[in-house]
Amino acid sequence: AQSVTQLGSHVSVSEGALVLLRCNYSSSVPPYLFWYVQYPNQGLQLLLKYTSAATLVKGINGFEAEFKKSETSFHLTKPSAHMSDAAEYFCAVSRVTGANSKLTFGKGITLSVRP
Amino acid sequence: DTGVSQDPRHKITKRGQNVTFRCDPISEHNRLYWYRQTLGQGPEFLTYFQNEAQLEKSRLLSDRFSAERPKGSFSTLEIQRTEQGDSAMYLCASTTDKTQETQYFGPGTRLLVL
Repeated sequence: AQSVTQLGSHVSVSEGALVLLRCNYSSSVPPYLFWYVQYPNQGLQLLLKYTSAATLVKGINGFEAEFKKSETSFHLTKPSAHMSDAAEYFCAVSRVTGANSKLTFGKGITLSVRP
Repeated sequence: DTGVSQDPRHKITKRGQNVTFRCDPISEHNRLYWYRQTLGQGPEFLTYFQNEAQLEKSRLLSDRFSAERPKGSFSTLEIQRTEQGDSAMYLCASTTDKTQETQYFGPGTRLLVL
């Protein structure tokens, strides 16, 4: 079984400040890990993914995440927040092997950016 | 690619009515997934198709729910005798065997059951 924990439901930062969104996972098999962003009334957009290559993954819009197996973590960061980053962010895990690579999502974190 | 499309984008229905949603995946994507997202939660897996074969269904998918993908292209998700608890966003995603770890999501269908 796989699961994702995203602590806290809401993070607020000032424009230009560091963004840090935490994600911890549980998986009995080697995982693939993802961060998705969702804007109001829209579907999910992939920000970045870890697929067992480099542990530091760079994504779109200046986001990056680091896979730490020892900590079972995959935290999302961005050095400088922009107003347009305000959205809901979901961490997800899937299996490396198996025919069904369904995603298991965390509950999500709402990011607010203050002017 | 035009992306994954879903129709309708919004649906309001009365309790007890049947509803059907459609998902058109990205062309040549043979894998198709349905997820449900309730307010304040992350999406939850409902079912998975590889081509026209429905290979896995979640326990969330009660007998009132049925999904099809008759020709291995578009898919439909039907809910019979809707209940207020069915109110949610229904998301569709597609991918290929080669890029199976990357799912591309549609905009979703938001269902409100009154």
